[in-house]
Amino acid sequence: EPEVTQTPSHQVTQMGQEVILRCVPISNHLYFYWYRQILGQKVEFLVSFYNNEISEKSEIFDDQFSVERPDGSNFTLKIRSTKLEDSAMYFCATQAGIGELFFGEGSRLTVL
Amino acid sequence: KQEVTQIPAALSVPEGENLVLNCSFTDSAIYNLQWFRQDPGKGLTSLLLIQSSQREQTSGRLNASLDKSSGRSTLYIAASQPGDSATYLCAVRGGAGSYQLTFGKGTKLSVIP
Repeated sequence: EPEVTQTPSHQVTQMGQEVILRCVPISNHLYFYWYRQILGQKVEFLVSFYNNEISEKSEIFDDQFSVERPDGSNFTLKIRSTKLEDSAMYFCATQAGIGELFFGEGSRLTVL
Repeated sequence: KQEVTQIPAALSVPEGENLVLNCSFTDSAIYNLQWFRQDPGKGLTSLLLIQSSQREQTSGRLNASLDKSSGRSTLYIAASQPGDSATYLCAVRGGAGSYQLTFGKGTKLSVIP
């Protein structure tokens, strides 16, 4: 069964460092999303991406965050200068059309 | 801003019982509603998707209903099993001018053998 693949599964970084999280979407999906879940809290929307551009972003997605699909397959989330409060599980999700979203297993980011 | 609330926050039942999980949302202008399952430290597994024009969806022992006008959905699990133990998340797409999924905090289900 097709699945969304995320790497790394866990990353530990120092505050102020840059982090890149990667996602391989399901092959025929056109809509891509990043969500995050801080421990014990709700899953929160960060950004949606379609046709090589951001279609919607939340207040959380400030100038420290960026997304791209550099090679037509991987979909990446970059955090330029990590802060302690960026520690969370980051989920990539993809969608073919207007139906179900399919989520990856997540990348746990720990900022020290 | 769309808000999603799930009640109860936690539920413990003996194996074999039928149970209902509740979800409510504040803005009824939604496109669809999706129920997910999340195991500890894991990703989200989609269980059921209900479009805004539908009243219910069924998959195996799971049945989800949607009353869009009152802003409510329920997830019914029949003949619960220990393997059903997980956190169940409700998420709505749309409402309050956004096209994105808004999640509830989830109901943590424990099925006791």
